[in-house]
Amino acid sequence: DSGVTQTPKHLITATGQRVTLRCSPRSGDLSVYWYQQSLDQGLQFLIQYYNGEERAKGNILERFSAQQFPDLHSELNLSSLELGDSALYFCASSVSVAQETQYFGPGTRLLVL
Amino acid sequence: AQSVTQLDSQVPVFEEAPVELRCNYSSSVSVYLFWYVQYPNQGLQLLLKYLSGSTLVKGINGFEAEFNKSQTSFHLRKPSVHISDTAEYFCAVSGAGGSYIPTFGRGTSLIVHP
Repeated sequence: DSGVTQTPKHLITATGQRVTLRCSPRSGDLSVYWYQQSLDQGLQFLIQYYNGEERAKGNILERFSAQQFPDLHSELNLSSLELGDSALYFCASSVSVAQETQYFGPGTRLLVL
Repeated sequence: AQSVTQLDSQVPVFEEAPVELRCNYSSSVSVYLFWYVQYPNQGLQLLLKYLSGSTLVKGINGFEAEFNKSQTSFHLRKPSVHISDTAEYFCAVSGAGGSYIPTFGRGTSLIVHP
């Protein structure tokens, strides 16, 4: 158990819909990262937050957004969903932005029908 | 820029045999290197990491990896595998350009047969 929690574990929705994925980092970790894992693209970095502020952006679509709240939990919002958004979405956390080791949550499996 | 190539998408092996999972990276600066393991329906778990110092790194579950700067490789090895080692293994690199965001390889599926 990494100490990072993600909810929900599974999510099934339809094209065009919007969903919110939630992540709670390990106790004491200030940095949160979101990743997408799919068969096509492998594990892709989406976005990083540190202590409530966006710090780095990766291959995140404009239809996707994220935020980190004062209690340090983070949410990833996916809108206008397409079939190709079906994937595993992982959250990871680390102590700081300069911390080399990230701890991964169990993931949310999203299926868009 | 940094990139990672995992040369084998799948490695089948018999129980108690040795195994090596290959990883090559590309970066023009000093980097940090990692191996993660993903068991079915779970998140990624850190096996080991190389930050600096000794090029032979020991990790959890009896795994080790050797950093070879001249060959830009970071191969993962285990002298004797168990059925429970069946999983997906990811090599990752970070640190290029001051970024700590890791770039992951496509993964190698280790399949241990009885």
